[in-house]
Amino acid sequence: QQQVKQSPQSLIVQKGGISIINCAYENTAFDYFPWYQQFPGKGPALLIAIRPDVSEKKEGRFTISFNKSAKQFSLHIMDSQPGDSATYFCAARTVEYGNKLVFGAGTILRVKS
Amino acid sequence: DGGITQSPKYLFRKEGQNVTLSCEQNLNHDAMYWYRQDPGQGLRLIYYSQIVNDFQKGDIAEGYSVSREKKESFPLTVTSAQKNPTAFYLCASNQGNSPLHFGNGTRLTVT
Repeated sequence: QQQVKQSPQSLIVQKGGISIINCAYENTAFDYFPWYQQFPGKGPALLIAIRPDVSEKKEGRFTISFNKSAKQFSLHIMDSQPGDSATYFCAARTVEYGNKLVFGAGTILRVKS
Repeated sequence: DGGITQSPKYLFRKEGQNVTLSCEQNLNHDAMYWYRQDPGQGLRLIYYSQIVNDFQKGDIAEGYSVSREKKESFPLTVTSAQKNPTAFYLCASNQGNSPLHFGNGTRLTVT
């Protein structure tokens, strides 16, 4: 139940294209869904986050789409740039798990110029 | 600048030796966490501490130990009982429900 399944494991996108990373969960008690971005040799940093009472949140080129009934959420990166090449982690949190984050396995994104 | 400092960045040890990874934060956060990162497995929680002098096991605590004697410090010891210690270790902190703030990690190699 305390799992978040993330796909794909890796993704190659052309510069200017759209990158899409998907996550799915089972526990309906999850109430906070962040995405983290990690560059090589660095720690992850919060990119964008959403709560289940909204279906979409956009910050610049980054958008989270949330489908509560399907228990899925996804990250869309519009106009992908080589500087977006990084590992992306989805995560989820619930008070049932002491508000600690449960992370997906990560997606390695490479944007080709 | 406020942040989390993990040291050293790279650490090499022989099998059978204990090793301690340092984590210091100047964010005045109450909670601190240790995660282990392996390729294709995401971030797995080892130990966490929500207040000084108190800590709890995470999902993969076996073979690890921690202490929290000061608010700003949360060292992790990888003991010889940890069967597969080679990994990238990340320390994080937060306050209440604020987002996790991560350090830049320590890459431990045990041979």
